[in-house]
Amino acid sequence: GAGVSQTPSNKVTEKGKYVELRCDPISGHTALYWYRQSLGQGPEFLIYFQGTGAADDSGLPNDRFFAVRPEGSVSTLKIQRTERGDSAVYLCASSSQSGTEYSEQFFGPGTRLTVL
Amino acid sequence: AQKVTQAQTEISVVEKEDVTLDCVYETRDTTYYLFWYKQPPSGELVFLIRRNSFDEQNEISGRYSWNFQKSTSSFNFTITASQVVDSAVYFCALSERGRDDKIIFGKGTRLHILP
Repeated sequence: GAGVSQTPSNKVTEKGKYVELRCDPISGHTALYWYRQSLGQGPEFLIYFQGTGAADDSGLPNDRFFAVRPEGSVSTLKIQRTERGDSAVYLCASSSQSGTEYSEQFFGPGTRLTVL
Repeated sequence: AQKVTQAQTEISVVEKEDVTLDCVYETRDTTYYLFWYKQPPSGELVFLIRRNSFDEQNEISGRYSWNFQKSTSSFNFTITASQVVDSAVYFCALSERGRDDKIIFGKGTRLHILP
């Protein structure tokens, strides 16, 4: 079946602009994660959704970052007043989160955001 | 707090040599998972292995092997008879079995296999 997809694959914007990054998880996966990977670093956790609700948003760097998942499937990461430091690859992952067993996270290809 | 340390930023070896990538982790939980991911130049994250904290058996998969030692909080990765296609950034990662299973990644080791 289809994996996690993310659009756009690349986004170039100017400082101060608003951007939206989209994630389509694997069908039926209830858990969805956003990570950010800055140049030369490992991915860093941003936010986790279980269904429609953000169960853990402790990784969001500040209030310019917000994410939604209104119907428990597609998620959108929104960044207001972008700054050059927001330039990174934004990765989305989903998992089935079934019961007590660990559920593998499947990663999408990422969206490369460049803020000029 | 959770933390993953990959002290080797970059390694270069000649093809066919063996190479070991080090990983040290910190966690206060007794139940956790350890991972290795590969990120080739194309950028996608490729899952290699997951181990849970109750299983310290070493694992071998083809040219890849992993050594998990709880006593030293290490989860090292060895590539035997390296090949140019092994060139990539490798990430060690940790997930505490809790309410969200978020993954904490190390900073990665960039591996160059020279022909």
